[in-house]
Amino acid sequence: AQSVTQLGSHVSVSEGALVLLRCNYSSSVPPYLFWYVQYPNQGLQLLLKYTSAATLVKGINGFEAEFKKSETSFHLTKPSAHMRDAAEYFCAVSGSEKLVFGKGTKLTVNP
Amino acid sequence: GAVVSQHPSRVICKSGTSVKIECRSLDFQATTMFWYRQFPKKSLMLMATSNEGSKATYEQGVEKDKFLINHASLTLSTLTVTSAHPEDSSFYICSARQGAAYNSPLHFGNGTRLTVT
Repeated sequence: AQSVTQLGSHVSVSEGALVLLRCNYSSSVPPYLFWYVQYPNQGLQLLLKYTSAATLVKGINGFEAEFKKSETSFHLTKPSAHMRDAAEYFCAVSGSEKLVFGKGTKLTVNP
Repeated sequence: GAVVSQHPSRVICKSGTSVKIECRSLDFQATTMFWYRQFPKKSLMLMATSNEGSKATYEQGVEKDKFLINHASLTLSTLTVTSAHPEDSSFYICSARQGAAYNSPLHFGNGTRLTVT
């Protein structure tokens, strides 16, 4: 079975500051990990995915995430936040047919 | 990139009526589609997994007679909310897997906001 824990339901940063959204996973099989972003009243858009290749994964919009097996983590980072990054972010794990989502982290970017 | 079209984006219906939501993969074939329900300020709750040509697999607690899922082709899955009630009001999102492998990402529709009055 797989599960995801996103630490912090809300994260607030200043524009230009580092963004760090935390995700820890649990999986009984080698996991595939994903980060998705959701803007209000929209579906989810894939930011990046880890599928057992490079542990540092680069995604769209300047985001990246690092898979750390020893810490069972897959934290999402961006060096410099933009106002347009304000959204809900979901970490997800798959080790089977289903994709299991975390509860989401709402990112607020202050001017 | 892969596009999933979900229609309608918003629907208001009266209690007791049925509503059909369509989910189409526009530029790829999707043998597996998923239907999620999202409550305000909550994560996505998987309702069912839909495989083309076979019956959907429902998650525990989801009423299969109330939420009818049909996956008639490799590009179309539908969710019908039968005899809708106000408690069915929610944001429903479909997704489609591009490729058969479990590491293939899901592509999501833009969701349907259902309001039952």
